[in-house]
Amino acid sequence: EVQVLESGGGLVQPGGSLRLSCAASGFIFGRYAMSWVRQAAGKGLEWVTTISGSGDTTYYADSVKGRFTISRDNSNNALYLQMNSVRAEDTAMYYCAKISGSLEGWFDSWGQGTLVTVSS
Amino acid sequence: EIVLTQSPATLSLSPGERATLSCRASQSISSYLAWYQQKPGQPPRLLIYDASNRATGIPARFSGSGSGTDFTLTVSSLEPEDFAVYHCQQRNTWPRTFGGGTKVEIK
Repeated sequence: EVQVLESGGGLVQPGGSLRLSCAASGFIFGRYAMSWVRQAAGKGLEWVTTISGSGDTTYYADSVKGRFTISRDNSNNALYLQMNSVRAEDTAMYYCAKISGSLEGWFDSWGQGTLVTVSS
Repeated sequence: EIVLTQSPATLSLSPGERATLSCRASQSISSYLAWYQQKPGQPPRLLIYDASNRATGIPARFSGSGSGTDFTLTVSSLEPEDFAVYHCQQRNTWPRTFGGGTKVEIK
């Protein structure tokens, strides 16, 4: 069974940093692209970033480009999101999502999410 | 950036009724559209991909149609567990974008 489990969320001050993790199991991790998608309370979904299975290709939403970095460790089936210079508008539930194949796939498995709150 | 506009924002229906949800893209996205269902406190679940293909385990009462800029998700006969928020998403271009969602509520 495919499973992805996020961790690392919490309260962070504006301008601070946070690192989210996603532990994956039930599939050959390195064969699939992975993404982070976020959702502010009561709002819609916002794609944040995607990384290829090998880790050599990444894409970012303009709202996080230059501040967030996605990475992966295929030997440990782990996905990461380094969040720097966070802002109040980054407050959201962050979901780790597996993509159904290469970069050109769909978000076919999601974790339960980890909550990030940016506040002083 | 491709903007996806979902309508209506809220759909009030009774169990057994047919639900028709719309998603319109700001430019052509071929058939690169998916639909997700999200229930309160849960992550989204993939329902339909490539506009009309049901994901694994999705009941046949869910169907998708459309191409280009206009897409429709139809639930032929609403079951109690179908009352939720539905999101559309495109993968034709980067950045990936989602629609604002349609809430299907019990009338």
